[in-house]
Amino acid sequence: SQTIHQWPATLVQPVGSPLSLECTVEGTSNPNLYWYRQAAGRGLQLLFYSVGIGQISSEVPQNLSASRPQDRQFILSSKKLLLSDSGFYLCAWSVDSNEQFFGPGTRLTVL
Amino acid sequence: GIQVEQSPPDLILQEGANSTLRCNFSDSVNNLQWFHQNPWGQLINLFYIPSGTKQNGRLSATTVATERYSLLYISSSQTTDSGVYFCAGGQGGKLIFGQGTELSVKP
Repeated sequence: SQTIHQWPATLVQPVGSPLSLECTVEGTSNPNLYWYRQAAGRGLQLLFYSVGIGQISSEVPQNLSASRPQDRQFILSSKKLLLSDSGFYLCAWSVDSNEQFFGPGTRLTVL
Repeated sequence: GIQVEQSPPDLILQEGANSTLRCNFSDSVNNLQWFHQNPWGQLINLFYIPSGTKQNGRLSATTVATERYSLLYISSSQTTDSGVYFCAGGQGGKLIFGQGTELSVKP
């Protein structure tokens, strides 16, 4: 069966510091991978998605970037965090463009 | 882009009651999912339902793709049903989420 991991689970970072969040998927090959953010309130927003190694599409211009160095690894990064980067970050995977399955998330607080 | 509207935004029920949650889309979608977000933030998949009707225990969902809406039915609600329910849809793999319905089931 497929599983998705995210780490760290929680993170507190000062403004201006770098960021690296990692997501890995097990039990499937060549998945589509996604990064979402849930800010204060309830809606989730798609940030990036990837259909293969090195292929990244950005949905929202911002202070973040994504990379996919391996087939089942997806990384969300920032060189300098802003207060507005605080939120709950969720990684998801799917086979082709079908049903998406979400990881447990990383709760980021920027102080 | 596609807009997703969920209603109601908040719902308080007595245990045992039934409820219907609605999701409207501003344009056609070929992917549609319902989720339940638990208190720890985990998104639990309820239904993948671009069209038609599905049932899973006390929950069922119906999507009328031609009229761009989907309904989630919860019957005989339990306190463990509390939380936020999201619908999300889109074209291809890009899911657009609604703002959610926060359900509170009182014992």
